[in-house]
Amino acid sequence: DIQMTQSPSSVSASVGDRVTITCRASQGISSGLAWYQQKPGKAPTVLIYAASSVQSGVPSRFSGSGSGTDFTLTISSLQPEDFATYYCQQANIFPITFGQGTRVEIK
Amino acid sequence: QVQLRESGPGLVKPSETLSLTCTVSAGSVSSDNYYWSWIRQPPGKGLEWIGYIYHNGNTNYNPSLKSRVTISVDTSKNQFSLKLSSVTAADTAVYYCARDRWVTTGLEYFDYWGQGTLVTVSS
Repeated sequence: DIQMTQSPSSVSASVGDRVTITCRASQGISSGLAWYQQKPGKAPTVLIYAASSVQSGVPSRFSGSGSGTDFTLTISSLQPEDFATYYCQQANIFPITFGQGTRVEIK
Repeated sequence: QVQLRESGPGLVKPSETLSLTCTVSAGSVSSDNYYWSWIRQPPGKGLEWIGYIYHNGNTNYNPSLKSRVTISVDTSKNQFSLKLSSVTAADTAVYYCARDRWVTTGLEYFDYWGQGTLVTVSS
């Protein structure tokens, strides 16, 4: 299986901060990466697909980049509603796998 | 807006079979380029893809669960279902159904999710 390793596991940040989360794949996955946001007790929602395409309805402060093995999710100016856990996911190589998650906490 | 809703028992005994159904509304399980997936999340842990089905009945399962998993589809009811046999406490999790949007080979993602249902395995 492709191992997806996110870093950091958690980050403390303030409203207005720029936050960057990294996801590294154990093998190259081209641009086959998606990012999700999950709030407590809720299902994940997709933010980014194809590494850098923003899902319809997602605020423009969210962006994604990368290809191959290294990917980044950036929140340009953290808002109160962005405190959540973020997951990356690949489907380039079977089976579909997720990263372990990155919790974004209030500083 | 596509909606998915999981239904089924919240408590299953060890060694028995977990059975869940996902009902899709404002969308069709018969649509091309969409797979219908099951994903689970143990309490306080990360996400694990279980498997998916296409409307023609083609399935793909996570090898880690393949020997115990069956996913089926009922296009007449716009539903798909999960069966997981011989469950243990390690199968306790929130189970989500989700629509898997296929963009191209090697590029797919989950664009709609159910709200999730907690299934506890306990005697």
